[in-house]
Amino acid sequence: DIVLTQAPLSVSVTPGESASISCRSSKSLLSSKGITSLYWYLQRPGKSPQLLIYQMSNLASGVPDRFSSSGSETDFTLKISKVETEDVGVYYCGHRLEYPLTFGSGTKLEIK
Amino acid sequence: EVQLVESGGVLVQPGRSMKLSCAASGFTFSSFPMAWVRQAPTKGLEWVATISTSGGSTYYRDSVKGRFTISRDNAKSTLYLQMDSLRSEDTATYYCTTIGAYWGQGTLVTVSS
Repeated sequence: DIVLTQAPLSVSVTPGESASISCRSSKSLLSSKGITSLYWYLQRPGKSPQLLIYQMSNLASGVPDRFSSSGSETDFTLKISKVETEDVGVYYCGHRLEYPLTFGSGTKLEIK
Repeated sequence: EVQLVESGGVLVQPGRSMKLSCAASGFTFSSFPMAWVRQAPTKGLEWVATISTSGGSTYYRDSVKGRFTISRDNAKSTLYLQMDSLRSEDTATYYCTTIGAYWGQGTLVTVSS
């Protein structure tokens, strides 16, 4: 199974500052079709997960461009610029390269 | 407006069965592979099963193989999860999802005596 390791476990950010979350994969997430199968989700408190980023660097519909993602085949970074209070929640990375699908253990973002 | 509405989650004893349903609307259900993802209390996300658009292919995590069955009815735009031989470790909120942009609100399954 592909293991996704997220860091840090939690991050506390002052509104208006930036935050970065890392996700490292135990295996290359580059598919045979040339797509990097890495996704980022935000789960706000008491809510369902919400897709933020698909295929490593593509912003999902309706997601503010304060969110961005980049990486290689195994190392990925989600960056949130100008953090707002609505960004509070747990961020998960996940892959869809092969079965079983797996998710990282999550990074909790809090506001200072 | 896209909606995925799960139902069927209840308190059930270990060893018993339960069937979850997910009614989809607002998008072309038959065009999307569908999945169940669960989240145990205070824990992270865990993929459970996926079904192809036609229903001809299904995939399961090892811990539920042989106990859970995912199915779909494209005419009714509904996804199902039949859960047999339930265990305490199956206790979780179960989300119906495309694993992409569309997620339901979740339904809580509690397995306890």
